Amino acid sequence: EAQVTQNPRYLITVTGKKLTVTCSQNMNHEYMSWYRQDPGLGLRQIYYSMNVEVTDKGDVPEGYKVSRKEKRNFPLILESPSPNQTSLYFCASSLQGNEKLFFGSGTQLSVL
Amino acid sequence: AQSVAQPEDQVNVAEGNPLTVKCTYSVSGNPYLFWYVQYPNRGLQFLLKYITGDNLVKGSYGFEAEFNKSQTSFHLKKPSALVSDSALYFCAVTRWTASKLTFGTGTRLQVML
Repeated sequence: EAQVTQNPRYLITVTGKKLTVTCSQNMNHEYMSWYRQDPGLGLRQIYYSMNVEVTDKGDVPEGYKVSRKEKRNFPLILESPSPNQTSLYFCASSLQGNEKLFFGSGTQLSVL
Repeated sequence: AQSVAQPEDQVNVAEGNPLTVKCTYSVSGNPYLFWYVQYPNRGLQFLLKYITGDNLVKGSYGFEAEFNKSQTSFHLKKPSALVSDSALYFCAVTRWTASKLTFGTGTRLQVML
């Protein structure tokens, strides 16, 4: 089944403790991206990747890192999480950047 | 910079009535426009997209959207709403050179019996 898999589904952590949210797709998509969803703000793009080893900042990249060493994986790294990063995070992929996105199920992150 | 505006936080409609969810956009060059839907406690799903051609685009679940270049709008429509259409709807825009996809703030659609 074609899908985007994110883990974990829920995560509670404390300020400053490094964490990684994994994202994997099995559709051989070139484009992958991360979004955060906050009430009243909609979805905001954090980082995106047009292909392996090619990543770029979205609208809200501060406090986040990504890497794209393999085509299928695009992890989101928070090296020193802060409470303002408490949010619902979505990973997505598509054939190319202007094609329809396939979304993961989301990761609800709480930073205490 | 590109942007999307969804002027209504919530739209209420009775089942069986037509519905419209509004979206206006700003982007340099030709836009690629999308609608996505988020059902409660679920991820987002693609509904439809406009690239070029007919201004009326048909998508999933009986939804359609009308592209209006002069008004820079891309309103989502359905002739007859169902209670199961109740969800959060997002409009999004990018360009053909595409990299960044910009979403609106979302409109909650509530369909009542």
